[in-house]
Amino acid sequence: GDSVTQMEGPVTLSEEAFLTINCTYTATGYPSLFWYVQYPGEGLQLLLKATKADDKGSNKGFEATYRKETTSFHLEKGSVQVSDSAVYFCALSSTGANSKLTFGKGITLSVRP
Amino acid sequence: DGGITQSPKYLFRKEGQNVTLSCEQNLNHDAMYWYRQDPGQGLRLIYYSQIVNDFQKGDIAEGYSVSREKKESFPLTVTSAQKNPTAFYLCASSPGRGYTDTQYFGPGTRLTVL
Repeated sequence: GDSVTQMEGPVTLSEEAFLTINCTYTATGYPSLFWYVQYPGEGLQLLLKATKADDKGSNKGFEATYRKETTSFHLEKGSVQVSDSAVYFCALSSTGANSKLTFGKGITLSVRP
Repeated sequence: DGGITQSPKYLFRKEGQNVTLSCEQNLNHDAMYWYRQDPGQGLRLIYYSQIVNDFQKGDIAEGYSVSREKKESFPLTVTSAQKNPTAFYLCASSPGRGYTDTQYFGPGTRLTVL
């Protein structure tokens, strides 16, 4: 079945540091890939997505590229801010009539001033 | 404002009681979903509905029930058969059934069993 694997956390960075959060997936066909962010005590918000191979999703300085050859969708940001502190989830949605999201376990990012 | 509302934000239940969590959306979305979030486990799908009066079990449906009598509403009942119901519950909706569709989430309900 479908699965998403995220790197182990938590991650703590200093403000303006470079961020990479790894995400790899297993799925049949050509899934859509998503990054969601969850701020403390809130629901999830879509951060970015990519729906086909080699697509790059971007938003708020974050980027991720859909790499089919390595089945990966790593999240990057060149300079993190304290306000980026949150939990980040990688997810996929497979093709099919009853498509649904499969989530990774999430990783907590803390950014120090 | 368009969006998804969940109520209540916090809910306490005694063992052996059923409890219903509310989810309403005014986005005119066809599909709606219920997820359960536990620390360190990500989100797991409980039930989903892609059209009114129809719904399907997700990965962890045991001990839960849903209804979809109206397009904008998808309430979740946590029954006494759910062995470990204490968790954060998230409702979501998407415009259609397509695998490229974005799911939009509500703010969640935190259920605690006393």
